[in-house]
Amino acid sequence: RKEVEQDPGPFNVPEGATVAFNCTYSNSASQSFFWYRQDCRKEPKLLMSVYSSGNEDGRFTAQLNRASQYISLLIRDSKLSDSATYLCVVNKHYGGSQGNLIFGKGTKLSVKP
Amino acid sequence: DVKVTQSSRYLVKRTGEKVFLECVQDMDHENMFWYRQDPGLGLRLIYFSYDVKMKEKGDIPEGYSVSREKKERFSLILESASTNQTSMYLCASSLEDEAFFGQGTRLTVV
Repeated sequence: RKEVEQDPGPFNVPEGATVAFNCTYSNSASQSFFWYRQDCRKEPKLLMSVYSSGNEDGRFTAQLNRASQYISLLIRDSKLSDSATYLCVVNKHYGGSQGNLIFGKGTKLSVKP
Repeated sequence: DVKVTQSSRYLVKRTGEKVFLECVQDMDHENMFWYRQDPGLGLRLIYFSYDVKMKEKGDIPEGYSVSREKKERFSLILESASTNQTSMYLCASSLEDEAFFGQGTRLTVV
């Protein structure tokens, strides 16, 4: 099982649609989880952290299910500007270091007018 | 604003050349990383460093080395560039868990 797995998409949705992405991770000891956004030919940027209790930021909702080892991202009322690749990211610890971020391959979202 | 700066946006090198990719961050972060990103393979960790002069291998360290002589600077070295090292290289630094990326260096080895 790959460390972090995502459906690569693409997800093609109309403006105003609700779209959900899922991500699974293999290391049950992982402690921190994130969604990053990467626009075409740009660097990834943090979209939001994911907490066990679930968290919401405007139209975006992230949830974590530790028992099933999956993370989700829900985008409501999609905008054209939401078109991007969404990367699921999990913190993995190497030896005594603070940890390291392992990236999924990303899910591509395309929002159409 | 955190700034992570990579020395070049685009680079073309010949097979067998020694290549240096430089990365500088201005936020006094302990952790710095080098990734490469290829279509269909996503971001893969090459090396990371959590302190000056400390380095750890990531998932694909073969053919690369790194140097961290100062906290703000993390260099990636391709000892003898090969065509399969043609890729987008991304440097990042982190405070706790959030990583901040540089704009990337697109390296082509011919």
